[in-house]
Amino acid sequence: DIQMTQSPSTLSASVGDRVTITCRASQSISSWLAWYQQKPGKAPKLLIYKASSLESGVPSRFSGSGSGTEFTLTISSLQPDDFATYYCQHSPWTFGQGTKVEIK
Amino acid sequence: EVQLVESGGGLVQPGGSLRLSCAASGFTFSSYWMHWVRQAPGKGLVWVSRINSDGSSTSYADSVKGRFTISRDNAKNTLYLQMNSLRAEDTAVYYCARARYGDSAFDIWGQGTMVTVSS
Repeated sequence: DIQMTQSPSTLSASVGDRVTITCRASQSISSWLAWYQQKPGKAPKLLIYKASSLESGVPSRFSGSGSGTEFTLTISSLQPDDFATYYCQHSPWTFGQGTKVEIK
Repeated sequence: EVQLVESGGGLVQPGGSLRLSCAASGFTFSSYWMHWVRQAPGKGLVWVSRINSDGSSTSYADSVKGRFTISRDNAKNTLYLQMNSLRAEDTAVYYCARARYGDSAFDIWGQGTMVTVSS
C-alpha cells in the first residue's frame, strides 16, 4: 500500500505569511494527488486536484506543485480564513496525516 | 443544489451493527463512483470504502474488510454502508464523498454522521 506523509504536522504562521506544506508518497503516484482543507466540525473541502489544478472557486493564493513522490501546497499570503487543517490524498485512496495551520 | 446528506449514525454496543445512508441530490448520482471516509475524534481522515457507478465493483480498507459492506440504490439516489461486528476503534464521523470522473478527487462531501461504539 502507498503511504502518504505530510510535514510539518503543525505550522504556526501569521497573516500575510507564505506557507508551504509538503506531502511525500512512499512510491510514485504520478500526479494523482489532491489537497483538502478542513475546519473544525466541518467536512473537508477540495482545494487542488491532479497535484496542481485549482478547484473552481478556490482563491488563487492556493497553489499545488509536484509529481511522482513529492508534492507541495503553498498559500502565498495567509489569510484569517486559512487557519485550518490541510490533508493531501493519493486520489482516491490514502490521506496524509494532516497539517494544522495555527495562528502564531 | 448538489448535496450529500448522511444519516443513520448513533450509539451502538461492541459487536453490534449499523447501516449508514447517504442521500444524493442535485446531480446524476448513477454516473459517479462514491466513497466513505471516516475520522475518529481528534484524528485524521481515513478512506474506508468505494463503489463504482453501477454497484458492480467495491473495495475496502483492510481495517473494515469482511465487516463493512458498501452498496447503492441508483433508483433512490442513495449510498449505504452496512457496518457489522463493530469495534470501539470504528468510533468516528463517517462522511460520504463523490469522486469526480477523470481526476478522482472528492469534490462533494456530506456533512458527516457520528458513529459511537461503546458499551
